[in-house]
Amino acid sequence: NAGVTQTPKFRVLKTGQSMTLLCAQDMNHEYMYWYRQDPGMGLRLIHYSVGEGTTAKGEVPDGYNVSRLKKQNFLLGLESAAPSQTSVYFCASTAGTEPLGPSQYFGPGTRLLVL
Amino acid sequence: RKEVEQDPGPFNVPEGATVAFNCTYSNSASQSFFWYRQDCRKEPKLLMSVYSSGNEDGRFTAQLNRASQYISLLIRDSKLSDSATYLCVVPYNNNDMRFGAGTRLTVKP
Repeated sequence: NAGVTQTPKFRVLKTGQSMTLLCAQDMNHEYMYWYRQDPGMGLRLIHYSVGEGTTAKGEVPDGYNVSRLKKQNFLLGLESAAPSQTSVYFCASTAGTEPLGPSQYFGPGTRLLVL
Repeated sequence: RKEVEQDPGPFNVPEGATVAFNCTYSNSASQSFFWYRQDCRKEPKLLMSVYSSGNEDGRFTAQLNRASQYISLLIRDSKLSDSATYLCVVPYNNNDMRFGAGTRLTVKP
């Protein structure tokens, strides 16, 4: 049981390049999330998904797209990377809407540097 | 006012000390709250959930003050292994968790 995994662990991009970050979970969780974490700031929600085939915008969605074609995978795409997207990206998943709020399981993170 | 605010620290305490962190939040409708622990360059991991007035788990106690809209985390008998950043998390709906920037704790021998 690997939990939540993220690929790649680290990447350097040039401005304007595109890339896709992959998140995979083997816990059969319905809900998946993408966050970014910047120095001095908390994690900020980019996009999330409440089930296969569904996605929704979070707090900071601009410049990113997502897809959830399979329940276990949640992809985050950057179509044209900008230096402002240099960050650490965390994926998370949770079983669903627990009665008093979800507790999330996080992947190990992807460090992205955009030059 | 930020949605979730924490004292960034750092808090530097000796082993065995008691230390407390506060977190204030702006959404009065939030019903549950979470403390996560994040080690350097690692992912956050759930430490405690707070649903009513408080919760206790061993050396860790979380308390909630709804009237003043703050949550606290108390760590007793600090260990070197408690050194980490502690994140306060407040759901703004079931799918939108707002994270504080974190409070850094260093426990020294």
